[in-house]
Amino acid sequence: SQTIHQWPATLVQPVGSPLSLECTVEGTSNPNLYWYRQAAGRGLQLLFYSVGIGQISSEVPQNLSASRPQDRQFILSSKKLLLSDSGFYLCAWSLADLTGEAFFGQGTRLTVV
Amino acid sequence: AQSVAQPEDQVNVAEGNPLTVKCTYSVSGNPYLFWYVQYPNRGLQFLLKYITGDNLVKGSYGFEAEFNKSQTSFHLKKPSALVSDSALYFCAVRPTGRRALTFGSGTRLQVQP
Repeated sequence: SQTIHQWPATLVQPVGSPLSLECTVEGTSNPNLYWYRQAAGRGLQLLFYSVGIGQISSEVPQNLSASRPQDRQFILSSKKLLLSDSGFYLCAWSLADLTGEAFFGQGTRLTVV
Repeated sequence: AQSVAQPEDQVNVAEGNPLTVKCTYSVSGNPYLFWYVQYPNRGLQFLLKYITGDNLVKGSYGFEAEFNKSQTSFHLKKPSALVSDSALYFCAVRPTGRRALTFGSGTRLQVQP
């Protein structure tokens, strides 16, 4: 069966520090991968998605970047965090089939102080 | 723009009563619609989806949803609510030609004992 791992679960970082959140998927090949951010326990905003290694699409220009160095690995990064980067970050994967649902990791609660 | 709307921020229901969480959509072409549930500080869990076929879709934990093309709605329902159903519920759509899901703003369901 397929599983998705996302870490860390919580993170407190000072303003101006770098960020690296990692997500890995097991049990499937060539998944579509996604990073979402959820603010204030409400709606989800799509940040990035990837359909293959090295292929990243950015939805919202901001202080973050994403990379996919391996087929089942998706990394969210920042060189210098801002206070506004605080939030709940969710990684997800889906099959290439457009009728398929997305499966989510457990999320990372990021607090920038 | 292709989107979903959840008109209610919160729904309150007594345990044992039927529940409905509303969702309307706006998409071009045939919609692919999804429902997810989120418990505090956790990722989203997939409940059910409508792709094609029967308008009544059955999903996990006794939930079902009714697709209504004329009313462009996809309401989530359960015949008898449980206190453990209390959570945040999201409706989502996969817009035509896109891989990532677009989510509604979420509805908080509170089931009182």
